[in-house]
Amino acid sequence: SAVISQKPSRDICQRGTSLTIQCQVDSQVTMMFWYRQQPGQSLTLIATANQGSEATYESGFVIDKFPISRPNLTFSTLTVSNMSPEDSSIYLCSVGADYNSPLHFGNGTRLTVT
Amino acid sequence: LAKTTQPISMDSYEGQEVNITCSHNNIATNDYITWYQQFPSQGPRFIIQGYKTKVTNEVASLFIPADRKSSTLSLPRVSLSDTAVYYCLVGTREYGNKLVFGAGTILRVKS
Repeated sequence: SAVISQKPSRDICQRGTSLTIQCQVDSQVTMMFWYRQQPGQSLTLIATANQGSEATYESGFVIDKFPISRPNLTFSTLTVSNMSPEDSSIYLCSVGADYNSPLHFGNGTRLTVT
Repeated sequence: LAKTTQPISMDSYEGQEVNITCSHNNIATNDYITWYQQFPSQGPRFIIQGYKTKVTNEVASLFIPADRKSSTLSLPRVSLSDTAVYYCLVGTREYGNKLVFGAGTILRVKS
């Protein structure tokens, strides 16, 4: 299965600032998704990262708050903008080699906003 | 996307077989059933995926009855290291394998 690297693994940020999280995969993948997992909770899908075009956001998530880039088939970034303490969470990148393959997850970025 | 229902938690002892059942009454024709395992401070790890009947791999078995409205993940001879959260997901490849997570089942294995 694909090896997924997320950077940073954790960060502590001040409110009002922005953080960009990187997801690097060691092979080309068709599908890339970004999830959020709040403490003690399940995972919530933020958006589908589309290569070469705008991401597709789920209900409750907007591009201005969570801009996503995907310049190629191995890399994506998620930015958490104008952060507030409510954004404190784990953000996870998920990839699928193709439409017939199960998704695999990175170990996430633990974000704390003070 | 089909909604899933799982027990919130289960307890077991080392060496026992554990069966976790998931209900997905409104599963669609093209939906697949996928199970993930998650340890603290790690991303979910793929366990097994199936469409119907039975699927087995080196880690687990997945049983799916003919009506596909439920599925059962079977973990043979669990150990302490199997203590984790287990998620059942239903999704269709028409959505690009987009998966929606439910609450999951916390499995605690005791010695």
